[in-house]
Amino acid sequence: EPEVTQTPSHQVTQMGQEVILRCVPISNHLYFYWYRQILGQKVEFLVSFYNNEISEKSEIFDDQFSVERPDGSNFTLKIRSTKLEDSAMYFCASSGQGAHSTFGSGTRLTVV
Amino acid sequence: RKEVEQDPGPFNVPEGATVAFNCTYSNSASQSFFWYRQDCRKEPKLLMSVYSSGNEDGRFTAQLNRASQYISLLIRDSKLSDSATYLCVVNGDYSSASKIIFGSGTRLSIRP
Repeated sequence: EPEVTQTPSHQVTQMGQEVILRCVPISNHLYFYWYRQILGQKVEFLVSFYNNEISEKSEIFDDQFSVERPDGSNFTLKIRSTKLEDSAMYFCASSGQGAHSTFGSGTRLTVV
Repeated sequence: RKEVEQDPGPFNVPEGATVAFNCTYSNSASQSFFWYRQDCRKEPKLLMSVYSSGNEDGRFTAQLNRASQYISLLIRDSKLSDSATYLCVVNGDYSSASKIIFGSGTRLSIRP
């Protein structure tokens, strides 16, 4: 079964540093997403990406965040100047037209 | 009223029991509905989509009640492996990823 792959599985970073979370969506999917789940809380939508541009973003996705699809396979989330409250599980997901989303196994980000 | 609301549980039931969860949603224009399963510190995985006519997949049955704006999940003959958090997911608009709203989840624990 096709998978969404995320690396690294766990990232520890110092407050104020920049991190890049990487994702390889399912190859024939067109829509890509980032979600966040703070420990013990619900999954929250961050951003969706289609046709090489952001299609939607939530209030959480402010200027601290950016996404990029640098080549035909990778989809990255960059978090600049990390804060303690950015500590969370970050899930990448992808979907085909009108289909449900398939999630990657997540990157656990710990900001210290 | 929360956009998507679930009883957080935990539900603690013996193996072989039947258990049911409900989820209510606030947006009457919501288009599509899903149940995802999330194991501890893992990614959400699609359990089943929920169709207007109701649908069944093995021991799992999902129902949608548009008039009362709730969806349900019934698990029959529960197994130890069913222990997980069950997420209700509602898509308010096919064209809008930001309208995909996750419930906080219902924790299910099956005991031997």
